[in-house]
Amino acid sequence: GQNIDQPTEMTATEGAIVQINCTYQTSGFNGLFWYQQHAGEAPTFLSYNVLDGLEEKGRFSSFLSRSKGYSYLLLKELQMKDSASYLCAVRGSSNTGKLIFGQGTTLQVKP
Amino acid sequence: EAEVAQSPRYKITEKSQAVAFWCDPISGHATLYWYRQILGQGPELLVQFQDESVVDDSQLPKDRFSAERLKGVDSTLKIQPAELGDSAMYLCASSLATTGELFFGEGSRLTVL
Repeated sequence: GQNIDQPTEMTATEGAIVQINCTYQTSGFNGLFWYQQHAGEAPTFLSYNVLDGLEEKGRFSSFLSRSKGYSYLLLKELQMKDSASYLCAVRGSSNTGKLIFGQGTTLQVKP
Repeated sequence: EAEVAQSPRYKITEKSQAVAFWCDPISGHATLYWYRQILGQGPELLVQFQDESVVDDSQLPKDRFSAERLKGVDSTLKIQPAELGDSAMYLCASSLATTGELFFGEGSRLTVL
């Protein structure tokens, strides 16, 4: 079967660093996405990893280890506006490019 | 900036009624997706189109849900009859290709009473 696991909730302090983990078991692998979703809004794209290693984009970085079926999203210099749900999504080997989402991690940033 | 358009933004209906949602993807995007997101969960794919053809509807409850993309551009998702458990956010997304990033619309929030 296909399974994507993320912690349900996390809390962090403004200005700090937080790491959100994602583990996956899928039929094949053709890339992993991280999306941010504020309450009541649509998901917005944050990052994409298809090869092992770290991808950095400003305050956000994403890491992938394909052999371990593991990724993390690292958020630095947390701001209050970073309070949102963070969705890990994996594209398997299906020729349709189907994207399967995890349940999301709700991050609360406190002053 | 190009966006995925969806309507209505909010819909309240009674169970057993019919509802329909509309989506207009970003111009030129061949792949269109309908996802359902129940509160507190991640989006679940209902149906995926490549141009006007359905390429994945394995999770679509076909006894009550239907989707079409007749001209390979905009799409309609219909539920008839609606049930209480259908209350959710219905998200439309599009991508340039099946390997590309998904761009989501604002979603249509359905409440079934």
